Amino acid sequence: EDQVTQSPEALRLQEGESSSLNCSYTVSGLRGLFWYRQDPGKGPEFLFTLYSAGEEKEKERLKATLTKKESFLHITAPKPEDSATYLCAAGNTPLVFGKGTRLSVIA
Amino acid sequence: GAGVSQSPSNKVTEKGKDVELRCDPISGHTALYWYRQSLGQGLEFLIYFQGNSAPDKSGLPSDRFSAERTGGSVSTLTIQRTQQEDSAVYLCASSQLLLRYEQYFGPGTRLTVT
Repeated sequence: EDQVTQSPEALRLQEGESSSLNCSYTVSGLRGLFWYRQDPGKGPEFLFTLYSAGEEKEKERLKATLTKKESFLHITAPKPEDSATYLCAAGNTPLVFGKGTRLSVIA
Repeated sequence: GAGVSQSPSNKVTEKGKDVELRCDPISGHTALYWYRQSLGQGLEFLIYFQGNSAPDKSGLPSDRFSAERTGGSVSTLTIQRTQQEDSAVYLCASSQLLLRYEQYFGPGTRLTVT
């Protein structure tokens, strides 16, 4: 059975304190690893797609990387506006979503 | 361009009543997906459409749930004889193609069954 596990469940950072979120997956026929950001009361917002091990993508303070078994979302010098739940998803159709990491960045 | 829209944004209904949730995907997106998100849980896949057909309905929780898509565009998720455990946020997403393409989500419909 396809599985996606995210850790930690919650992360509290001081503004400027860099860290990483983890997404480990066991899926058959990976067609992509997706990262989303979800703010309270809103639908997930697409961030990145990674297709092959070794691939990296960046957007502002976020960088996503992919290995054969896991993906990391690195957050460099976070700001309070980066506070959100970050979801990863992997698999084929349908995508399997993790439960997310709830990030709080404190000024 | 316009994103995915869903209506209503909130729905409160009594146990046993039927509800219809609507999704308007991004224009030109051929694939459409329905998910359910309960408090503290991940996104639970319900059903997807490629064009107007739904090849896999196995994610629907029970036979009280059904969905259709017409004209390759608007989709409706119908829940009959609602139960309290149906209370959740129902999210719709669309993608340009079925495989290897990111899904774009709507704001969701929050369903509360009293």
